[in-house]
Amino acid sequence: DAEITQSPRHKITETGRQVTLACHQTWNHNNMFWYRQDLGHGLRLIHYSYGVQDTNKGEVSDGYSVSRSNTEDLPLTLESAASSQTSVYFCASSDFQAEQYFGPGTRLTVT
Amino acid sequence: QKEVEQNSGPLSVPEGAIASLNCTYSDRGSQSFFWYRQYSGKSPELIMSIYSNGDKEDGRFTAQLNKASQYVSLLIRDSQPSDSATYLCAVNIANTPLVFGKGTRLSVIA
Repeated sequence: DAEITQSPRHKITETGRQVTLACHQTWNHNNMFWYRQDLGHGLRLIHYSYGVQDTNKGEVSDGYSVSRSNTEDLPLTLESAASSQTSVYFCASSDFQAEQYFGPGTRLTVT
Repeated sequence: QKEVEQNSGPLSVPEGAIASLNCTYSDRGSQSFFWYRQYSGKSPELIMSIYSNGDKEDGRFTAQLNKASQYVSLLIRDSQPSDSATYLCAVNIANTPLVFGKGTRLSVIA
């Protein structure tokens, strides 16, 4: 069965370290998205991609970057982790009909 | 600014009752509408999609769309304690990412 996976599921890191969160989907979807979810803010879009070599900034992209070298993967990198980036991160993918399917999430704690 | 508004709740309904969840959106160009269910500590799960005015039924769930009023709703019939979750409304304009509401927390009381 097609799925979308994220790793690691839990991560604790220190302020200033670079962190990469992995997202892998086997739906063969062109579109992939990264969100963070915090109490009181709902889902906020960080970055998204509509295909290989395509990346776009979302509403909260500062301090984050992505690259898309193949259809299946969209890793999210925190260049220099900050305590404000402690959150739950969700990856999602969709086809042209825009129905997004979410991964299980990564809980990131920056100490 | 594209906005999707939902009452944060909690909405409490007794077991067996109909739960009615509402969502309004600001952009008249919106084309696709989705309802997601999110259990505590879990990821959002797509439960309904609707693309045209009217009702769409799937089991105990009915989505209702009124584009003239910029309103989409989700009805859950015969509510069960297992329906207790946060329900997210999401709206799409072609070639742009989904815009999500902050969600309505539903509590079904046994």
